[in-house]
Amino acid sequence: GAGVSQSPRYKVAKRGQDVALRCDPISGHVSLFWYQQALGQGPEFLTYFQNEAQLDKSGLPSDRFFAERPEGSVSTLKIQRTQQEDSAVYLCASSPAVFGTGSEKLFFGSGTQLSVL
Amino acid sequence: RKEVEQDPGPFNVPEGATVAFNCTYSNSASQSFFWYRQDCRKEPKLLMSVYSSGNEDGRFTAQLNRASQYISLLIRDSKLSDSATYLCVVSGGGADGLTFGKGTHLIIQP
Repeated sequence: GAGVSQSPRYKVAKRGQDVALRCDPISGHVSLFWYQQALGQGPEFLTYFQNEAQLDKSGLPSDRFFAERPEGSVSTLKIQRTQQEDSAVYLCASSPAVFGTGSEKLFFGSGTQLSVL
Repeated sequence: RKEVEQDPGPFNVPEGATVAFNCTYSNSASQSFFWYRQDCRKEPKLLMSVYSSGNEDGRFTAQLNRASQYISLLIRDSKLSDSATYLCVVSGGGADGLTFGKGTHLIIQP
């Protein structure tokens, strides 16, 4: 498709369940980001990929969070043993630019709204 | 982490009026600056980049003041469709340096 696609759009999980969130970036985009956005807050950085390399994962809140982009295109964010505080919208963004070049235009997907009960 | 602060509002403004809001950032080494717009329950979308000399895009004007470490967004002749949350974004050059503010909520009233 023409834009960044995320699935599922909504996910309800019971506390303790594992979830996997998928992101299909715009074809050819080098950079891929994951952000977490709580209600009424701005997006908070989670992790960054340049092609298949995860260059920064400093924003992942705990070792329950894991992200991968094995072939440099589709990415998956996995959350193990979900907790209520994980409830948020998870946004994926891609960019044709390598970050740090001053060309930081991000294209966001519609996000996955995760609710942990 | 670098801090980016915005007045959350809401700013309630009559249609046709001019509205301006600022964003302050704490890292003097920040290199790139942007305004993103986010509609309710939608993803953020780039509104405009902010350049040192200031820049204009139609009814929107963005300015950067490096000495005081703030950027501003001015909207002239506001439209109902301008109602949204405006996110200030600051980049220090590294991946984790792309920091979003919490957003300023703007409501244009008929």
